[in-house]
Amino acid sequence: QQQVKQSPQSLIVQKGGIPIINCAYENTAFDYFPWYQQFPGKGPALLIAIRPDVSEKKEGRFTISFNKSAKQFSLHIMDSQPGDSATYFCAASRGATNKLIFGTGTLLAVQP
Amino acid sequence: DTAVSQTPKYLVTQMGNDKSIKCEQNLGHDTMYWYKQDSKKFLKIMFSYNNKELIINETVPNRFSPKSPDKAHLNLHINSLELGDSAVYFCASSQGTVNEKLFFGSGTQLSVL
Repeated sequence: QQQVKQSPQSLIVQKGGIPIINCAYENTAFDYFPWYQQFPGKGPALLIAIRPDVSEKKEGRFTISFNKSAKQFSLHIMDSQPGDSATYFCAASRGATNKLIFGTGTLLAVQP
Repeated sequence: DTAVSQTPKYLVTQMGNDKSIKCEQNLGHDTMYWYKQDSKKFLKIMFSYNNKELIINETVPNRFSPKSPDKAHLNLHINSLELGDSAVYFCASSQGTVNEKLFFGSGTQLSVL
């Protein structure tokens, strides 16, 4: 049972485009929603995170949009660059635990 | 200086063998984790320790045994390796246990032949 569903599985955009990756969750007890970025041969690294009391968070070119009623959140990458080509994972956790439940990942390719 | 380091980076072994993966963090964090990433890149938590105490133990075969000699180290020992154990194993650490940023190591690619 996949508690955090992520789409699309892969995404190709041109440089300067705005890729959007979507995630949906089931457990309403989740209260922390991070996005991790993973390059080949490396471990995931935290990109940006949001809590359900806000609907949007922006850090640099990365924006999370959060819809609590729909139990969905998404990552937008503004002015995407070839260096953004990586696998992106959404995740969720709840309460007094750091047990992150990861989505299935999105392989992003930004073409020059 | 690598924040979370794990060794070895690659591990190739035969079915039935016992192997260990070591992890060390120099961030002064209290909590450490083991995650498994399968061939489809799915990441799943296996264990978590906070100040050497086991706090998360997912449904993992008891052939997998974590050991935390101190809060800077978390090792993973695997007995009687099976083909299905082939994956990338990531060690990670965080300052605390509540919605904290995870710092991941570079992974250990385990191949069981």
